[in-house]
Amino acid sequence: QKEVEQNSGPLSVPEGAIASLNCTYSDRGSQSFFWYRQYSGKSPELIMFIYSNGDKEDGRFTAQLNKASQYVSLLIRDSQPSDSATYLCAVNMYSTGGFKTIFGAGTRLFVKA
Amino acid sequence: GAVVSQHPSWVICKSGTSVKIECRSLDFQATTMFWYRQFPKQSLMLMATSNEGSKATYEQGVEKDKFLINHASLTLSTLTVTSAHPEDSSFYICSASLAGARNEQFFGPGTRLTVL
Repeated sequence: QKEVEQNSGPLSVPEGAIASLNCTYSDRGSQSFFWYRQYSGKSPELIMFIYSNGDKEDGRFTAQLNKASQYVSLLIRDSQPSDSATYLCAVNMYSTGGFKTIFGAGTRLFVKA
Repeated sequence: GAVVSQHPSWVICKSGTSVKIECRSLDFQATTMFWYRQFPKQSLMLMATSNEGSKATYEQGVEKDKFLINHASLTLSTLTVTSAHPEDSSFYICSASLAGARNEQFFGPGTRLTVL
């Protein structure tokens, strides 16, 4: 089982719709969870982070965390063509000598105009 | 947010030469820096984790003698690809983080390496 799993997609949604991106993780002791957006040929940029169970909203983005189910999601409201990118779920896990961040393989999102 | 720079942004070199990539945190002191490699249409692959003043921790399968990492200060880490070969051609990305497991990573813009 992969440590952080995402559906690779592509996920295609029409402009204005809600895009829902999902991620599961294996380490029950994980404390910090992040969503990054990566445009083709560019490096990842942080969109959201969440530490506590529940929802966290920032503009059109909402991150949801359920530690009991080991599940984290990202909702994008009023999707725009500029949201088309690969979205990476990342989880901080304790490791020998400190912590390390495990990235999922990413979900490709296409927003159709 | 915090800014991380990388230099060069792209480099083309001949097979057998060595290439050094610099990663700098511009407005914060980074306790930990990470080096990733990403091949086309694939996800990020963590190569190594470096803490200032100590040896880097390499991921399984990453040759430490080939990918030399130096983290001499809290704002600078370097990755040297020694005796580069065409299969080393990739997108190399660094990130920097503050201490603690909760802190997010701030990514540099990446360096595209092409080995002829």
